Amino acid sequence: DAGVIQSPRHEVTEMGQEVTLRCKPISGHDYLFWYRQTMMRGLELLIYFNNNVPIDDSGMPEDRFSAKMPNASFSTLKIQPSEPRDSAVYFCASSQTGPETQYFGPGTRLLVL
Amino acid sequence: EDKVVQSPLSLVVHEGDTVTLNCSYEVTNFRSLLWYKQEKKAPTFLFMLTSSGIEKKSGRLSSILDKKELFSILNITATQTGDSAVYLCAVEGYNTDKLIFGTGTRLQVFP
Repeated sequence: DAGVIQSPRHEVTEMGQEVTLRCKPISGHDYLFWYRQTMMRGLELLIYFNNNVPIDDSGMPEDRFSAKMPNASFSTLKIQPSEPRDSAVYFCASSQTGPETQYFGPGTRLLVL
Repeated sequence: EDKVVQSPLSLVVHEGDTVTLNCSYEVTNFRSLLWYKQEKKAPTFLFMLTSSGIEKKSGRLSSILDKKELFSILNITATQTGDSAVYLCAVEGYNTDKLIFGTGTRLQVFP
């Protein structure tokens, strides 16, 4: 298996633009997690899905952030409009049984100017 | 509120030194504590601890959990430059399917 796939790997955009991050989980994994990592706040869980259903989105910072999982093999995290403070590395992770066995993707490094 | 605190924030050592990384936590209905190593990219799993006093070992790395005092340590003996990374600690409670991460300890090992 190729592991968790994220795209793009790097994104540079201007403030106010819409940003869409994509994730393909490992086949057969029922859990999908979106994280954000910054120097100041470390690794924070934004939202997670189980069987394509959002279970906990309490980590989503504000209404500018939204996430979807239309099917078992694809998820998106959208930021609209983006702001400089959204600059971070965004990780997607998937798991078959729960968070203790999750595999992380390579991350998307986002820079909002 | 659930939280994880790691110390020290940063550590610089020479090859061959032994290091101890600390992780203290507060979580409702503790289920497990996990250690990850993060180099330039994504975190990679090291250990999962669920029981007090039972050491997990992998090569030069070992970890132990104290559920009474709510902390864990990660030991690395005979450090090598390849051990340079950020080490993350995370905890999970039974009431939830999510991990709470600490901000990590940045370890730099110089030759």
